[in-house]
Amino acid sequence: DIQMTQSPASLSASLGETVTIECLASEDIYSNLAWYQQKPGKSPQLLIYDATSLQDGVPSRFSGSESGTQYSLEINSLQSEDAATYFCQQHHDYPWTFGGGTKLELK
Amino acid sequence: EVQLVESGGGLVQPGRSMKFSCAASGFTFSNYGMAWVRQAPTKGLEWVATISYDGSSTYYRDSVKGRFTMSRDNAKSTLYLQMNSLRSEDTATYYCTREVGVLDYWGQGVMVTVSS
Repeated sequence: DIQMTQSPASLSASLGETVTIECLASEDIYSNLAWYQQKPGKSPQLLIYDATSLQDGVPSRFSGSESGTQYSLEINSLQSEDAATYFCQQHHDYPWTFGGGTKLELK
Repeated sequence: EVQLVESGGGLVQPGRSMKFSCAASGFTFSNYGMAWVRQAPTKGLEWVATISYDGSSTYYRDSVKGRFTMSRDNAKSTLYLQMNSLRSEDTATYYCTREVGVLDYWGQGVMVTVSS
């Protein structure tokens, strides 16, 4: 199975700041990576697909990038509604696997 | 508007069975693969199974192979998950998702608790 190592597990940031969350794949997943946002008590929502493409309706302050097997989610100009847990997911090979999640708290 | 509405779930004893369903609307159900993803309490996300658009192919994670069966009825735009020989580690919220490689729409989830 492809392992997705996500970091950090949690972070705290202030409104207006920029944060970066990373996922390291255990092997090449050829940009087949998605990012999801999950707010407490809610279902996950797709933010980014194919590593860098923004899902329709997602604010442009969210962006994805990649470097080899390292994938990153950047959130610019943090807003209060961005407080959530974020997950990466590879969809290169079954079983689809997720990162452990990053809980983002706003100061 | 795409909607996925799960039903079923609840408390079940270890070793017993449970089946729940997911009613889809707002898109042409028969054109899309579908998946189940689960999340144990306070834990991360875990893919469970995928079914192709026409039901001809299914894929399961190893821990549920031989115990869980995913199926679909395209005439009713409904997805199913039959779970047999349930274990305590199957306790989770189960989400119905539309799969296009990525999981672009999610249902609200249905909770399954396996406990005696």
